[in-house]
Amino acid sequence: YVLTQTPSVSVAPGETARITCGGNDIGDKRVHWYQQKPGQAPVLVVYDDRYRPSGIPGRFSGSNSGNAAALTISGVEAGDEADYYCQVWDTGRDRVVFGGGTKLAVL
Amino acid sequence: QISLQESGPTLVRPTQTLTLTCSFSGFSLTGGGVAVAWIRQPPGRALEWLALVYGDDTKFFRPPLKSRLTIGKDTSKNQVVLTLADMDFADTATYYCALSGDPYFTSWGQGALVTVSS
Repeated sequence: YVLTQTPSVSVAPGETARITCGGNDIGDKRVHWYQQKPGQAPVLVVYDDRYRPSGIPGRFSGSNSGNAAALTISGVEAGDEADYYCQVWDTGRDRVVFGGGTKLAVL
Repeated sequence: QISLQESGPTLVRPTQTLTLTCSFSGFSLTGGGVAVAWIRQPPGRALEWLALVYGDDTKFFRPPLKSRLTIGKDTSKNQVVLTLADMDFADTATYYCALSGDPYFTSWGQGALVTVSS
């Protein structure tokens, strides 16, 4: 199972960033999203398609349907500049799959 | 307060076996609902899941690496040990351990950089 992410997304501060994760019938799976800043470990920002862990701002939201899931960051701030990874559990092969990552640049 | 910490060698030679230890606190690795996973990241590249072990000792492995990987838990020490045999230059990466929920990864260690060099 392959998860496809756009390599980079650029937005201006205050705008909305949408980061997508494509996969065959991904809407039937639960998608999780991680933020990774340079030199740091990843941080879970959305789990089970649309839920935010404690401490994650409400500006982060997720959706999942059909062949694409998305992480939306509204009111982007300079501190949101990071790599973002989607992840699913591939039930058919009992394995974790990560997307290739999207680098979010805040202009 | 949940914490995880990776430890092990920073340099290994080709063909050697890598042994990494994840020491954790703040949770108990018992039962089927909690797991610890290992994930690595080659320099400048994406995250790559390697293995995970549940508290009931159910284990899953990355298919292409399954023959080279072992994972085991020591509940009394709150540790999970990963071994990767026959190390190659392509195995140079930062290795993370993480607490796994369902499975997604709610808490991560800081990572341990392992370099394969002759």
